[in-house]
Amino acid sequence: DVKVTQSSRYLVKRTGEKVFLECVQDMDHENMFWYRQDPGLGLRLIYFSYDVKMKEKGDIPEGYSVSREKKERFSLILESASTNQTSMYLCASSLFGFSYEQYFGPGTRLTVT
Amino acid sequence: GDSVTQMEGPVTLSEEAFLTINCTYTATGYPSLFWYVQYPGEGLQLLLKATKADDKGSNKGFEATYRKETTSFHLEKGSVQVSDSAVYFCALSDRSNTGNQFYFGTGTSLTVIP
Repeated sequence: DVKVTQSSRYLVKRTGEKVFLECVQDMDHENMFWYRQDPGLGLRLIYFSYDVKMKEKGDIPEGYSVSREKKERFSLILESASTNQTSMYLCASSLFGFSYEQYFGPGTRLTVT
Repeated sequence: GDSVTQMEGPVTLSEEAFLTINCTYTATGYPSLFWYVQYPGEGLQLLLKATKADDKGSNKGFEATYRKETTSFHLEKGSVQVSDSAVYFCALSDRSNTGNQFYFGTGTSLTVIP
């Protein structure tokens, strides 16, 4: 079974803090993705990576950065957290190729106060 | 650009009712199509997929057929159960220069009442 794990299920941070969200997959997938999910807006892509040290901006990259130093790990960084970044964050991975599905982690509910 | 439009919810059905959730897409190429399901408090999980025109994906009594002529991938189930209550997302994957990109609909919330 493919497993995608995320470092925290729930996180509470203060405005201005630097926040790290970690994602690890165990199936040697090339692609990894970070989304945020908000009511009424569905899933919005923040960043994705198709290889180690490679990254591409998604639809809403502002205020976020990412790091992929190892194939199995993809980190999302909020450089200076703000209240409008309160959201559910979902990590996903997939094999390279358009016919392959994504596998999702359980999500991290981040609250910025 | 590519996009997915799915039926707005919420949808409320009685147990054993027939379910249809409409999904249409716009794509520049020949995408793969997916339905994902999200139970409360969890991430998304794949329900079914189809990778070429006229393919039918099926799983757990759910079905969807890839219709290129109508650019649709509607989800159906003949008899829903309370345990099917969840949010359903239609998605497509298309080729790009940097691998494949995924596009999701906004989700349709389904509640099944006994």
